[in-house]
Amino acid sequence: AQTVTQSQPEMSVQEAETVTLSCTYDTSENNYYLFWYKQPPSRQMILVIRQEAYKQQNATENRFSVNFQKAAKSFSLKISDSQLGDTAMYFCAFMNREGGSEKLVFGKGTKLTVNP
Amino acid sequence: EPEVTQTPSHQVTQMGQEVILRCVPISNHLYFYWYRQILGQKVEFLVSFYNNEISEKSEIFDDQFSVERPDGSNFTLKIRSTKLEDSAMYFCASSELTQGANTEAFFGQGTRLTVV
Repeated sequence: AQTVTQSQPEMSVQEAETVTLSCTYDTSENNYYLFWYKQPPSRQMILVIRQEAYKQQNATENRFSVNFQKAAKSFSLKISDSQLGDTAMYFCAFMNREGGSEKLVFGKGTKLTVNP
Repeated sequence: EPEVTQTPSHQVTQMGQEVILRCVPISNHLYFYWYRQILGQKVEFLVSFYNNEISEKSEIFDDQFSVERPDGSNFTLKIRSTKLEDSAMYFCASSELTQGANTEAFFGQGTRLTVV
């Protein structure tokens, strides 16, 4: 079974600075997707960024980028120029692409606070 | 912007009672999901639903749970006889295509279920 581990329960960063959230996962599959979701206090989970395992290039979305290390099974999220609105829970998630599975396997989350 | 809507936002029920959680997915989406998040723990997959039938379910989704799409717009999760350990935040999600194929799951804001 796949597992996702986020080793940082809480992190804080000063506005305009850069922060990196860690995520590792365990799988025997070769073809999968990885995601970072943001859950602000409003509770609704929003997709931040997605990475396909067969792509070597790290995904980027504006201020958000990932460092995907497939051999190490590591998928960290870097937030540049942090903004107050980035304050939220961040969940790393895995989805197996093979076998038609639709489920997301989530980590426990990292609570990020951006300080003014 | 289209969004997934869940009602109610908070439901309190007595142990042993039946409860129905309601979701209105985004109108052109074909895949529907329920996840739950026990307070302080990770988000867990319950079930996925496509073409009017369950496509995948987790071991949490036992005989006490059922899902239904009673009409063209609603997607419901029923818990037949609630237990204290069913207390959690329940998230509905929908996606246009299979999640892996360059699409994303859109999540609702969740229903907080409290069983007393």
